[in-house]
Amino acid sequence: DTGVSQDPRHKITKRGQNVTFRCDPISEHNRLYWYRQTLGQGPEFLTYFQNEAQLEKSRLLSDRFSAERPKGSFSTLEIQRTEQGDSAMYLCASSLLRASGPGGTGELFFGEGSRLTVL
Amino acid sequence: GESVGLHLPTLSVQEGDNSIINCAYSNSASDYFIWYKQESGKGPQFIIDIRSNMDKRQGQRVTVLLNKTVKHLSLQIAATQPGDSAVYFCAENKGGTSYGKLTFGQGTILTVHP
Repeated sequence: DTGVSQDPRHKITKRGQNVTFRCDPISEHNRLYWYRQTLGQGPEFLTYFQNEAQLEKSRLLSDRFSAERPKGSFSTLEIQRTEQGDSAMYLCASSLLRASGPGGTGELFFGEGSRLTVL
Repeated sequence: GESVGLHLPTLSVQEGDNSIINCAYSNSASDYFIWYKQESGKGPQFIIDIRSNMDKRQGQRVTVLLNKTVKHLSLQIAATQPGDSAVYFCAENKGGTSYGKLTFGQGTILTVHP
């Protein structure tokens, strides 16, 4: 499977614990995005990277959240001191955006998500 | 604030019928719109997109219409099949350096009865 993969698919944790999610984008994609989705709602943008640079963070991303993409390939999203309100599906997406040339339409390809439940 | 929303939260159709899912947006700066399909337990799947310099785009069994005057977007699915049952989201983007920073609507649940 050469799509976006996320791990773990499900995580149950107790309030106050730290959790980390990993995303492996499609290999040639230069952009990587994190979104959060709660039940019955559409995904909400959290942050995105172009290669290894984190270019934008949503106000939804509190100080307890940190995302990295150290080598411009996979990314991790860590949540420290989890709260019950952090329970959600965390979605990763990647895209290839080129200034010119063929391909690189910027279409986002989403992974299956990592579902977090904070007890 | 600015948002993207849907008129109808649920839509039930018979197999073979055509389906129309509507979406209203309020950000006049948006220049790129996308429809996603999301099945239970899966991530959103790209269906079709349209840029603001177009008013219609067709794909395989799907058509997206954009009316910038009233800030309205619709997804038409021809000959709807049971496999089309899912939640459908519209999303908008301002493009430029914000490309990929999508604002999603709430979603419409499409149920197709055999």
